[in-house]
Amino acid sequence: NAGVTQTPKFRVLKTGQSMTLLCAQDMNHEYMYWYRQDPGMGLRLIHYSVGEGTTAKGEVPDGYNVSRLKKQNFLLGLESAAPSQTSVYFCASSLDRGSEQYFGPGTRLTVT
Amino acid sequence: GNSVTQMEGPVTLSEEAFLTINCTYTATGYPSLFWYVQYPGEGLQLLLKATKADDKGSNKGFEATYRKETTSFHLEKGSVQVSDSAVYFCALSGGFKTIFGAGTRLFVKA
Repeated sequence: NAGVTQTPKFRVLKTGQSMTLLCAQDMNHEYMYWYRQDPGMGLRLIHYSVGEGTTAKGEVPDGYNVSRLKKQNFLLGLESAAPSQTSVYFCASSLDRGSEQYFGPGTRLTVT
Repeated sequence: GNSVTQMEGPVTLSEEAFLTINCTYTATGYPSLFWYVQYPGEGLQLLLKATKADDKGSNKGFEATYRKETTSFHLEKGSVQVSDSAVYFCALSGGFKTIFGAGTRLFVKA
């Protein structure tokens, strides 16, 4: 039982490049989330999903897109990376609304 | 809207000292409250939770009580260890989203 996994662990992009972060969970959770963590700012919600085929905007969605084609996977895309998107990105999942979240190990992204 | 405020860090303690990390919240309705812990280089993991007023969550010697009258959920531990050094996040869940505090970094010296 791997829980929540994220790939890649590290990535360096140049401004304007694109990339996709992959999150996978094996707990059959309905809800999945993408957060970014920046020093002194806690976690900020980028996008979330309440089930397969659904997505919704969080607190800081600009510059990101997401897809949930399969229940176990939640993809985060950056179409044109900017230095302001340098951050650590965490994926999480939960069984239902209001319940505890299970986090992946994070992806450290640097945009130069 | 909902919000969480927790004490700023870092907090530096000697081993076996008593720990308190303050957390207060603003919310409509009856949210669930959580403490998560993040060790270096890892994701957050649940430490404890409480789902209704006067509930006490506990785990690994840590405790927190859901106080609706003071809108607080302070984290306590009677005797900290070096291995407790980490960042602690207070969180509130009401609806689809969970609101996290900014985190409090704890250093425990041997």
